[in-house]
Amino acid sequence: GAVVSQHPSRVICKSGTSVKIECRSLDFQATTMFWYRQFPKQSLMLMATSNEGSKATYEQGVEKDKFLINHASLTLSTLTVTSAHPEDSSFYICSATRDHEQFFGPGTRLTVL
Amino acid sequence: DAKTTQPTSMDCAEGRAANLPCNHSTISGNEYVYWYRQIHSQGPQYIIHGLKNNETNEMASLIITEDRKSSTLILPHATLRDTAVYYCIAPKATGNQFYFGTGTSLTVIP
Repeated sequence: GAVVSQHPSRVICKSGTSVKIECRSLDFQATTMFWYRQFPKQSLMLMATSNEGSKATYEQGVEKDKFLINHASLTLSTLTVTSAHPEDSSFYICSATRDHEQFFGPGTRLTVL
Repeated sequence: DAKTTQPTSMDCAEGRAANLPCNHSTISGNEYVYWYRQIHSQGPQYIIHGLKNNETNEMASLIITEDRKSSTLILPHATLRDTAVYYCIAPKATGNQFYFGTGTSLTVIP
């Protein structure tokens, strides 16, 4: 199956700093990638749809200025959590679409102190 | 996307078949049904998907009712490693955004 990677797998940062998470499709090109957030014991929540070469589409309630998404190439999308606060601590997961299937990355655990 | 309803949790004896139901009564004619599972602290793993016909692959079988309002994921011989949360999703045909429900937490018991 298709492989999607994320980097870093785990990050701890201080409150007020920004954190960048990378999502790569390793063996296929993805014009569309998705970003999700998952809090403990909850389901995945779709944050935004990332389209290569255009602006991301954010779900209702997700602040676009806080969660910056860049999809500059067909194999890379990045999510930057700006001015992170403890309530942004979560498990962030990306996915990439190929032939109507979504392939998920392993996730990034963000802890904001 | 069609709203999906799944039981919150299920148990299954190791070696037996696990049958996980999903209701998607508002599904449209061109919307697929996807099944994924998530093992703790990992990204979701694709299992199977279908439109109308029953499907089978090396992991599972998917049985879709004739009216397409419900489906059942079958793990033929459950192992301890199948313990996970199983999600049934019916995204819109355009856009393909996945809106996850609460899923079914399957526990395979030795």
